[in-house]
Amino acid sequence: AQRVTQPEKLLSVFKGAPVELKCNYSYSGSPELFWYVQYSRQRLQLLLRHISRESIKGFTADLNKGETSFHLKKPFAQEEDSAMYYCALRSSGGYNKLIFGAGTRLAVHP
Amino acid sequence: DADVTQTPRNRITKTGKRIMLECSQTKGHDRMYWYRQDPGLGLRLIYYSFDVKDINKGEISDGYSVSRQAQAKFSLSLESAIPNQTALYFCATSDTRQGNTEAFFGQGTRLTVV
Repeated sequence: AQRVTQPEKLLSVFKGAPVELKCNYSYSGSPELFWYVQYSRQRLQLLLRHISRESIKGFTADLNKGETSFHLKKPFAQEEDSAMYYCALRSSGGYNKLIFGAGTRLAVHP
Repeated sequence: DADVTQTPRNRITKTGKRIMLECSQTKGHDRMYWYRQDPGLGLRLIYYSFDVKDINKGEISDGYSVSRQAQAKFSLSLESAIPNQTALYFCATSDTRQGNTEAFFGQGTRLTVV
């Protein structure tokens, strides 16, 4: 079964500290992994996807198939990074629905 | 700008009432989804539709039904609302022609069942 696990409900750090939001997945095929972000009073939006290997707003995420993880990292957190972060998985194949984790709230303090 | 629009934005209803949440999109996407968001549970998929004639149940479809009236419209109904359906509901779309790699979300509908 497809499953996305985000073990931390809340991650609280000070400005300038490194950040790592954890995401583990369960899927036997070749998944696509995403990170979505929801800032206060805004709609969810895509932050990055593993196939692009991109860095957005200083965030990166590497797919580790051996550990079935897709952790989101940023070396120096900023206050404007405070938001709800969701890891998501899309299965391959025709009925490729998008499944989300429970989310991690990142709070960056001054 | 092409968008995903949900109506109403907020709704309070009584237990046992029927209620419909509507979603329309001007993005021209073929795929549409309904999720509910609960604290600590994240987003859970209720129903999804890959075109007008295709409707599929998600993780938590019990107590809900949907209608894909047109490619641009996807409605979610609660036939007989109950308090544990109090949640924030999101509609989303994606496009097969663009590799279906990104979902675009509406602003959300906050539903309270009393």
